[in-house]
Amino acid sequence: SAVISQKPSRDICQRGTSLTIQCQVDSQVTMMFWYRQQPGQSLTLIATANQGSEATYESGFVIDKFPISRPNLTFSTLTVSNMSPEDSSIYLCSARVQQADNEQFFGPGTRLTVL
Amino acid sequence: GEDVEQSLFLSVREGDSSVINCTYTDSSSTYLYWYKQEPGAGLQLLTYIFSNMDMKQDQRLTVLLNKKDKHLSLRIADTQTGDSAIYFCAERRSEGSSNTGKLIFGQGTTLQVKP
Repeated sequence: SAVISQKPSRDICQRGTSLTIQCQVDSQVTMMFWYRQQPGQSLTLIATANQGSEATYESGFVIDKFPISRPNLTFSTLTVSNMSPEDSSIYLCSARVQQADNEQFFGPGTRLTVL
Repeated sequence: GEDVEQSLFLSVREGDSSVINCTYTDSSSTYLYWYKQEPGAGLQLLTYIFSNMDMKQDQRLTVLLNKKDKHLSLRIADTQTGDSAIYFCAERRSEGSSNTGKLIFGQGTTLQVKP
């Protein structure tokens, strides 16, 4: 399995500000993803984080709003920019690892509240 | 349709078996997953099944796959109060010739276990 850590675990932010979430995986990673889970909802894929290049965004998500970096195999950041209350969600990092590419693991999530 | 569907709620008595059902959409999906989410926590990978299998057993968990009907179920034997959580099924959809595949989640089934 893989252990995925995220920082911060939670935050309360003012509208119009930005928050950067960090994700670290303890194993060699093949793929990394960012998901959003709105209150009481399922998970929606935001983007696939690509090492050393621009992330691949899903329909409805854009780079200006959710810039993503992945400078190396095991680390990625997601920024939620110019936040509004509608961005209040749990943001989860996810990864597949080299020794078990069939399995996909999730971090504990970052609980974001925007006032 | 495009959605992975699950019933929203299931209530069982401690010691009984629980069966959580899921209908997925893409007949070419390679893997199907079950995740558990406890309150305030991230997603825990419980088990997964490859699409050319019809059953997988792992201790108290049994996964059944009916590929013809695109139906997946998770049976939890001897359900305990600690099994109370939200259970998500997910399909890993293939994307053309790419082997990446992204996970598409159902809306989650809340399992309530009564003592």
